[in-house]
Amino acid sequence: GNSVTQMEGPVTLSEEAFLTINCTYTATGYPSLFWYVQYPGEGLQLLLKATKADDKGSNKGFEATYRKETTSFHLEKGSVQVSDSAVYFCALKLSADSNYQLIWGAGTKLIIKP
Amino acid sequence: DSGVTQTPKHLITATGQRVTLRCSPRSGDLSVYWYQQSLDQGLQFLIQYYNGEERAKGNILERFSAQQFPDLHSELNLSSLELGDSALYFCASSVGPGQNYGYTFGSGTRLTVV
Repeated sequence: GNSVTQMEGPVTLSEEAFLTINCTYTATGYPSLFWYVQYPGEGLQLLLKATKADDKGSNKGFEATYRKETTSFHLEKGSVQVSDSAVYFCALKLSADSNYQLIWGAGTKLIIKP
Repeated sequence: DSGVTQTPKHLITATGQRVTLRCSPRSGDLSVYWYQQSLDQGLQFLIQYYNGEERAKGNILERFSAQQFPDLHSELNLSSLELGDSALYFCASSVGPGQNYGYTFGSGTRLTVV
């Protein structure tokens, strides 16, 4: 079936470190891919998205490239800040699903230490 | 402010009771989704409505029900509450059918059952 797999957390990094959070997917057809972020005590916010292969989504210094050949959408940031501490969710949406539901990964908790 | 309004923000109630959570979607959005997020767990999809009609059901207990009204706001009713129902309940909305649209989330209702 269709699914999203994220690396397990928590991921703990020092400030200014390079970040990668892995996300791979299994899907029929050509999904759109999303990263959401949930800061402590808040709801989820759309961070970035990519709607077709080789697209790169970017926002707030974060980037992710839609890699069809490896079915991946890894989230990267060159220099993390303490304020990036949050839970990050990878998700996909299928055109074949008439309800256009998002299929979610389990989330990866990121902790940035000063 | 995401544009999705959830009330109340916090709710404390006793086991066996019934509560109603309310969600007003972002202006122009026709789809409403309800999610449950327990501590250290990912998002559990409960139910989806589109323009007043139920479109999809996830892991929603029989004790739970929901509806979307003509003005597009939605209510999630939780009855015969148990301690295990304590969680964050999120509402999200989207413009409707469309693979490339993400969801906009509300800030959630934190339910504590004592």
